[in-house]
Amino acid sequence: GIQVEQSPPDLILQEGANSTLRCNFSDSVNNLQWFHQNPWGQLINLFYIPSGTKQNGRLSATTVATERYSLLYISSSQTTDSGVYFCAVGWSGATNKLIFGTGTLLAVQP
Amino acid sequence: EADIYQTPRYLVIGTGKKITLECSQTMGHDKMYWYQQDPGMELHLIHYSYGVNSTEKGDLSSESTVSRIRTEHFPLTLESARPSHTSQYLCASSGHPGTGTDNEQFFGPGTRLTVL
Repeated sequence: GIQVEQSPPDLILQEGANSTLRCNFSDSVNNLQWFHQNPWGQLINLFYIPSGTKQNGRLSATTVATERYSLLYISSSQTTDSGVYFCAVGWSGATNKLIFGTGTLLAVQP
Repeated sequence: EADIYQTPRYLVIGTGKKITLECSQTMGHDKMYWYQQDPGMELHLIHYSYGVNSTEKGDLSSESTVSRIRTEHFPLTLESARPSHTSQYLCASSGHPGTGTDNEQFFGPGTRLTVL
């Protein structure tokens, strides 16, 4: 099956810093989502981005499907950005069966 | 308001008890999913449904069962809970004509289950 790898596994930032999270996948995908899991366990949708670039406030994402990776950019980080960021993909044989990466644990310090 | 609801949010129960985790959505979606997440780990799909009376097992083997009698309701049942079932269970939905694209999944708040 498809493999999803996220890097870095852990990241500590000072408030105001920028960061880039990466998601690599081993096969073609037609579904890719980025989520933020808050300390209460809730998964928040950030982007649905199987290809191209999107921006939402301080966050933006780019997926280069032909090279099998996606990037999540966080600018001017805030303490409320802390939590785990997951990338999840669906491939053509199982578009709706999301395969999750192991996540990036982000801690933003004041 | 379009949303996904899960009850209970937290459940502590003894070994051998039968439990049902509830999931309902007002998103207008036709597809629904159950994922299991151990602490500090990624999510794994355990059940999914593409419509009423349609259920399939996911990639992670689970002793739980599901039913889909109504479009908006997708309960998960454990006939006899064991400590190995201790985990977080998250429900999700997707599909037309609701919110988002046909493939984009939205998640409920989850149920944290502890079996003693």
